[in-house]
Amino acid sequence: QQQVKQSPQSLIVQKGGIPIINCAYENTAFDYFPWYQQFPGKGPALLIAIRPDVSEKKEGRFTISFNKSAKQFSLHIMDSQPGDSATYFCAASDDYGNNRLAFGKGNQVVVIP
Amino acid sequence: DGGITQSPKYLFRKEGQNVTLSCEQNLNHDAMYWYRQDPGQGLRLIYYSQIVNDFQKGDIAEGYSVSREKKESFPLTVTSAQKNPTAFYLCASRGDMNTEAFFGQGTRLTVV
Repeated sequence: QQQVKQSPQSLIVQKGGIPIINCAYENTAFDYFPWYQQFPGKGPALLIAIRPDVSEKKEGRFTISFNKSAKQFSLHIMDSQPGDSATYFCAASDDYGNNRLAFGKGNQVVVIP
Repeated sequence: DGGITQSPKYLFRKEGQNVTLSCEQNLNHDAMYWYRQDPGQGLRLIYYSQIVNDFQKGDIAEGYSVSREKKESFPLTVTSAQKNPTAFYLCASRGDMNTEAFFGQGTRLTVV
């Protein structure tokens, strides 16, 4: 059972475009929502994270939008660059419960020069 | 340097053999996790541990076993009962609640 559902599966954008990746969750006990970036053959690394008490968070060219009532959150990559080509995973955890970190299936983003 | 180390990077196993993947962290984190990554499947949780001498099954624990005898170590054994063990295995650790999970560089296991 996928606790976090991620879409679309892959995206191809031109340099400077804004790829948007969406995630949806069901468990209302989730209280921490990170995004991870993974390059081929490497482990994922944290990109940005949000908690449900805010609706948006920006770090550099990366923005998370969070909609608590819809149980959805999304990642926007502003002014995308070829170096942003990677697989992106959304995740969620219930840190006041069992500290289990659940991931989406991942989204491959390709930025064409 | 603080971090999480997985070894080996590549591992080949014959069918019917058990094999153990190593995961060590020097971040003083309480929680540790094992994930399996297959193309198009994302990261699927195998086992996780919140504290020494305690661990819980994840979504795909069948055919795997773990131990947590020390805070810094969380080895994963892929047993012969695992029907399709060829995959990329990732270990992670976390400190306090709502904090970043740090991942190792992964172990690619191939059954030959």
